[in-house]
Amino acid sequence: QKEVEQNSGPLSVPEGAIASLNCTYSDRGSQSFFWYRQYSGKSPELIMSIYSNGDKEDGRFTAQLNKASQYVSLLIRDSQPSDSATYLCAVTLVGKGDMRFGAGTRLTVKP
Amino acid sequence: DTAVSQTPKYLVTQMGNDKSIKCEQNLGHDTMYWYKQDSKKFLKIMFSYNNKELIINETVPNRFSPKSPDKAHLNLHINSLELGDSAVYFCASSQVGTSGKFYNEQFFGPGTRLTVL
Repeated sequence: QKEVEQNSGPLSVPEGAIASLNCTYSDRGSQSFFWYRQYSGKSPELIMSIYSNGDKEDGRFTAQLNKASQYVSLLIRDSQPSDSATYLCAVTLVGKGDMRFGAGTRLTVKP
Repeated sequence: DTAVSQTPKYLVTQMGNDKSIKCEQNLGHDTMYWYKQDSKKFLKIMFSYNNKELIINETVPNRFSPKSPDKAHLNLHINSLELGDSAVYFCASSQVGTSGKFYNEQFFGPGTRLTVL
């Protein structure tokens, strides 16, 4: 079982729609959860972090965490073509610095 | 005012050579990392350094060695390069701290694309 699993996609949504990206993790000791966006040929860019159960909103982005289900998601409202990228889910264990990444979900927003 | 910088951006070399990639961060962070992203875009941690101490060492070949002259720098040395080493290498940094809670938001450099011929 992979430590962090994501659907590889591609996920395609029309402009203005809500994009929903999902991620599951295997280690119940996971403490911190992150979403990174990576444009082709660029480095990962941190867009959201979440540490406790529930929702966290930042502009058009909402991260949702459910530790009981070992599930974290990212919602992108009013999707724009500029949101087209690969989204990486990452988790870290409490007391440890290493971050484990999922394989990423490729999102395409069509005008 | 680049937060995390890497040099070179591209590195093309022959099999068997030895090469280094440099990384510097000006964020004042206490921990730095090296990641490898392969052709399938999977990002995997290789090393991290905290206060000049190696705290994570994944199962990478011992041909790879991180060297940290100070808290702001973590260089990656690779000996006897092989074809399979071709990938993009990312440096990252974070402020782990000593509070016992590791929020660990990591910030990445622009990457170094290594091609071994």
